Amino acid sequence: GQNIDQPTEMTATEGAIVQINCTYQTSGFNGLFWYQQHAGEAPTFLSYNVLDGLEEKGRFSSFLSRSKGYSYLLLKELQMKDSASYLCAVRDDKIIFGKGTRLHILP
Amino acid sequence: DTAVSQTPKYLVTQMGNDKSIKCEQNLGHDTMYWYKQDSKKFLKIMFSYNNKELIINETVPNRFSPKSPDKAHLNLHINSLELGDSAVYFCASSPTRALLGGAGAKNIQYFGAGTRLSVL
Repeated sequence: GQNIDQPTEMTATEGAIVQINCTYQTSGFNGLFWYQQHAGEAPTFLSYNVLDGLEEKGRFSSFLSRSKGYSYLLLKELQMKDSASYLCAVRDDKIIFGKGTRLHILP
Repeated sequence: DTAVSQTPKYLVTQMGNDKSIKCEQNLGHDTMYWYKQDSKKFLKIMFSYNNKELIINETVPNRFSPKSPDKAHLNLHINSLELGDSAVYFCASSPTRALLGGAGAKNIQYFGAGTRLSVL
């Protein structure tokens, strides 16, 4: 079956670093995405990994290990505007989304 | 200019009614999608069209019928609305369809702002 797991909620402090983990079991793999979704808004694309390793994009980085079925999204220098849900999604023959991790940022 | 636009933004209706949600993208993408996001924020694919052809049809009641008059438009019609249909419906588009096998091209999805459907 297809399964994507990520923590339901996390809390971090402004200026800190947070790592959001995602594990997946899918019948095929053609890439992993991270999306950000602010409350009441549409998901927006953050990052894409298809090969093992780290992809860095400003304050956000995403890591993938295909052999472990594992990814993480790393957010540095947290800002209040980073309070949002973060969705891990895996592309098999279609894109399957995880249930999202709601990140709360404390001042 | 809005890249993926869907209307209406809010839809409040009675059980048993029939309603439609429209979606248009001006990105020149080949593939369009409908997703349902329930109260627990779980985003689940319903349908996908590539160049007006249905390519993904998840286990969705046949009260839901998508229609793609051209590759820039994908509308969703819902018959005999039920309480459980209350959710946010997102339209999305992407440049290429998801392909089986191999590390294909990026399939980044661009989402519309969502339609909040409340069935009373």
